[in-house]
Amino acid sequence: DIKMTQSPSSMYASLGERVTITCKASQDINSYLSWFQQKPGKSPKTLIYRANRLVDGVPSRFSGSGSGQDYSLTISSLEYEDMGIYYCLQYNEFPYTFGGGTKLEIK
Amino acid sequence: EVKLDETGGGLVQPGRPMKLSCVASGFTFSDYWMNWVRQSPEKGLEWVAQIRNRPYNYETYYSDSVKGRFTISRDDSKSTIYLQMNNLRAEDMGIYSCTWGDGHYGWGQGTTLTVSS
Repeated sequence: DIKMTQSPSSMYASLGERVTITCKASQDINSYLSWFQQKPGKSPKTLIYRANRLVDGVPSRFSGSGSGQDYSLTISSLEYEDMGIYYCLQYNEFPYTFGGGTKLEIK
Repeated sequence: EVKLDETGGGLVQPGRPMKLSCVASGFTFSDYWMNWVRQSPEKGLEWVAQIRNRPYNYETYYSDSVKGRFTISRDDSKSTIYLQMNNLRAEDMGIYSCTWGDGHYGWGQGTTLTVSS
């Protein structure tokens, strides 16, 4: 199975700050990577798919990049509503596998 | 607006079956592959199963932990997918959500499965 290693596992950031979360796959996943945001008591919300394609309605401050094994999610200017847990998912190969999550809190 | 509405969760005894449903709206259901994903405090997010659409002969794929016990199916006329779960175990407990598309473009609110005697 492909292992997805997310970092950091948790972080604090200030409003307006640029935030980057990374995901490293144990092998090349050909940009078949999605990013999700989850808030307490809610199901995940998809932000990015195919590594860098923004889902309709997701604010443009979110962006995704990367290739091969290394991917990142960037929030250009952190807003209060961006608190939550962020997950990556590889869907290049079965079984699809998720990263362990990054808990983002406001400083 | 895309909506995914899961139903069928609840309390079930170990070894017993249960069937989940997910009704989709807001997109052309028959054009998309569909997935079941579960989440538990112990295991986090775990992909469970995928069913492809007609051009892909409705092929199905499963995680090793459910292969042989769970069956995913779809009814394009009802824009619905199902997850038939047999021989349920305590480790199957969690919130089951359906997602649409290979990239998991959107999620339902989930339905909770509890396995306990």
